[in-house]
Amino acid sequence: QLQLQESGPQLVKPSETLSLTCSVSGGSISITSYYWGWIRQPPGKGLEWIGSIYYSGSTYYNPSLKSRVSVSIDTSKKQFSLNLSSVTAADTAAYFCVRHVSWACLFDYWGQGPLVTVSS
Amino acid sequence: QTVVTQEPSFSVSPGGTVTLTCGLSSGSVSTSHYPSWYQQTPGQAPRALVYNTNTRSSGVPDRFSGSIVGNKAALTITGAQADDESDYYCVLYLGSNWVFGGGTKLTV
Repeated sequence: QLQLQESGPQLVKPSETLSLTCSVSGGSISITSYYWGWIRQPPGKGLEWIGSIYYSGSTYYNPSLKSRVSVSIDTSKKQFSLNLSSVTAADTAAYFCVRHVSWACLFDYWGQGPLVTVSS
Repeated sequence: QTVVTQEPSFSVSPGGTVTLTCGLSSGSVSTSHYPSWYQQTPGQAPRALVYNTNTRSSGVPDRFSGSIVGNKAALTITGAQADDESDYYCVLYLGSNWVFGGGTKLTV
């Protein structure tokens, strides 16, 4: 059974960079037809797709976040990562890592989605 | 910027049928948007219900079905049960951008 697990600081100061890593177990990360992505959810609000990456390194980003977002992948470690720069309180959210079927709007496996708080 | 629209809330009686919709602020939803639907209960990660308009995810009961109705995507729940009380989100593919609707809070 595929499992995704996020790790990283749960408190980030304003103007700094939010960094999270997702570890994949129970399956391959170097698999065709699947992207690996990030989705966030502010407390009490809806979901927002942030970005996705293919095992080859090609990426797609939400246009509204593109200037601040970077997603990378390390296939040898079976991990992919999110960096979100210049954060503000508006970036406080649960951050989910997901497996993303490349040919459909299907996010079929999700991590637990830890809450990351932006505060001084 | 195109917005994906959903009813903020909906109510259905146990055993009843409800149809939630997913539209666009500009234009019509079609199969080319690959609409999909997710169910989320408090404190949990969302769960995929339907993708590619009308394909049920593994393990999802057949009382959940997806379709296009008029100019919107639709999720129909037939024979609603108490544990269907959740938030439901649709997501559409808008050209290398995957956009979620604001979600519908369903009360059973």
